[in-house]
Amino acid sequence: DAGVTQSPTHLIKTRGQQVTLRCSPKSGHDTVSWYQQALGQGPQFIFQYYEEEERQRGNFPDRFSGHQFPNYSSELNVNALLLGDSALYLCASSAGLAGVSDTQYFGPGTRLTVL
Amino acid sequence: GNSVTQMEGPVTLSEEAFLTINCTYTATGYPSLFWYVQYPGEGLQLLLKATKADDKGSNKGFEATYRKETTSFHLEKGSVQVSDSAVYFCALRPLPNFGNEKLTFGTGTRLTIIP
Repeated sequence: DAGVTQSPTHLIKTRGQQVTLRCSPKSGHDTVSWYQQALGQGPQFIFQYYEEEERQRGNFPDRFSGHQFPNYSSELNVNALLLGDSALYLCASSAGLAGVSDTQYFGPGTRLTVL
Repeated sequence: GNSVTQMEGPVTLSEEAFLTINCTYTATGYPSLFWYVQYPGEGLQLLLKATKADDKGSNKGFEATYRKETTSFHLEKGSVQVSDSAVYFCALRPLPNFGNEKLTFGTGTRLTIIP
């Protein structure tokens, strides 16, 4: 049973560029959440997708956008990259909305470095 | 809003010592509480969880009890091993309701075990 997978593992970009990160949820899961973890900090919630729609969003600017595909996989897009966007980006999956599953399972993350 | 406060780190212990990492939370209602562990260079792994007051979560020798009266969820282990060296995150998820699935994390506590 494959867990949550993310690609790429590492990424280096320059300021102003755009980046796309990808996530495949754990088998049987249909809800995907994205988190940003800055160095030495706890993860911060970016947004969550269910049924191909953004269901909840954290305090992140519109430069951060996402998408969920019919197979439940998801992408995180960040436009106009800033130095402060350098972080580990974590994807988490769970089964359905509240009341169905209480636990989010995390992938290994994508390390983004903005120069 | 919801928040999680964790014991400041780093924490350094000798092998076989007793471990306590404090965690307190602020939330309305009865959130679910979690401990996640992050090994060097990896994503987050769920260590244990508790979903209601007085529940005890346990896994791999670690335990934590959901204390509603003190709004705490302290992590304990009776005898730590070198392999327990990692960063530990306390997290909460609000009482389940539609569109409110996000996890709120503490800042993490880095634990180092010396042989």
